[in-house]
Amino acid sequence: KNEVEQSPQNLTAQEGEFITINCSYSVGISALHWLQQHPGGGIVSLFMLSSGKKKHGRLIATINIQEKHSSLHITASHPRDSAVYICAVRGFTDKLIFGTGTRLQVFP
Amino acid sequence: DTAVSQTPKYLVTQMGNDKSIKCEQNLGHDTMYWYKQDSKKFLKIMFSYNNKELIINETVPNRFSPKSPDKAHLNLHINSLELGDSAVYFCASSPILRPGLDSNEQFFGPGTRLTVL
Repeated sequence: KNEVEQSPQNLTAQEGEFITINCSYSVGISALHWLQQHPGGGIVSLFMLSSGKKKHGRLIATINIQEKHSSLHITASHPRDSAVYICAVRGFTDKLIFGTGTRLQVFP
Repeated sequence: DTAVSQTPKYLVTQMGNDKSIKCEQNLGHDTMYWYKQDSKKFLKIMFSYNNKELIINETVPNRFSPKSPDKAHLNLHINSLELGDSAVYFCASSPILRPGLDSNEQFFGPGTRLTVL
């Protein structure tokens, strides 16, 4: 069993839908990262958080440290949001442990 | 442009060869990383360097040797390439290493797709 689990593995949505991707982890962490990997392969850091909630545009990330759970929400989804979203946790040794990713496809 | 850059973008080579992948960041960051993404798209850390000093070495075969000539560069040399080394290798950097205290956003390079035939 991975130390970082994401669900769902694959997600299909219609443009405009509200999307939620979940991440659960089983280790102690100092921070959690959400990353986006585009179809072309590039990886972009979306959020880094250790408590509460962060918002960038249509993206919202939340974390519950007690429950060891984080969610990434996309409001008013758009086809350009189609990508793989990866959750990664940072332990206390600076090492990032990655989830297996959630492949999102948004159709017009 | 300020960024993390990697060369080459694609590398196709025969089993048994020795090859290098170069990484450079001009963001002024202290910490650099190498990650491997396998065919199932799973990312795993290989190495981490802070100011030219090795911090993390994640049970990577000793055929893989990172080299950091200065804090802006972290190159990856691979000896005696094997079929299982085929993957996408990502370099990344982050500002400051403070394990357990600060959270450091990581900036990723574009990746190098290595194919071993």
